[in-house]
Amino acid sequence: QQQVKQSPQSLIVQKGGISIINCAYENTAFDYFPWYQQFPGKGPALLIAIRPDVSEKKEGRFTISFNKSAKQFSLHIMDSQPGDSATYFCAASRQGGSEKLVFGKGTKLTVNP
Amino acid sequence: NAGVTQTPKFRVLKTGQSMTLLCAQDMNHEYMYWYRQDPGMGLRLIHYSVGEGTTAKGEVPDGYNVSRLKKQNFLLGLESAAPSQTSVYFCASSYSSAEGRRRSNQPQHFGDGTRLSIL
Repeated sequence: QQQVKQSPQSLIVQKGGISIINCAYENTAFDYFPWYQQFPGKGPALLIAIRPDVSEKKEGRFTISFNKSAKQFSLHIMDSQPGDSATYFCAASRQGGSEKLVFGKGTKLTVNP
Repeated sequence: NAGVTQTPKFRVLKTGQSMTLLCAQDMNHEYMYWYRQDPGMGLRLIHYSVGEGTTAKGEVPDGYNVSRLKKQNFLLGLESAAPSQTSVYFCASSYSSAEGRRRSNQPQHFGDGTRLSIL
């Protein structure tokens, strides 16, 4: 049973455009929703994260939008740049315990110059 | 400060061989994790540890064993490698707030992976 569903699988955007990646979760006990960015040959690195007590979090060109009632959250990359080309993973976990992350299957973003 | 270091970076095995992947972290993190990454499958948790001497199964533990004898090291073992275990393996570590205070998720720090091929 896939607990975090991510779409699209791949995304091509022109430089300066907006990239949008969506995720949906099933477990209502999840209370932490991070996004990880992974470049080829490297491990994932935390990009931005949100908790369900806020509906939006912005860090520079990256914004997470969170809809608790719909159990959905999304990543928006404004003014997308070729350097943003990477694979993005959404994830979810519960606070406390081992805080294991459940990852989506990833979105490969290509930003064309 | 190296963060999370994985060795080896690449390895080719024959079916039935055994090997151990080593993960070392220098951030004094309590929690450590082993994931495998396969095309189109995202990252799947194999085993994890919430402290020295403790380990637990994740989502896909079959065919793997782990040990955490020292806080800074987390070993992943394949006793009898199978072609289905061909994958990229990532280790991660994280810190979590001490018991008694409001726990707060801490980011997981990943190594750069071990690419394992089993023929």
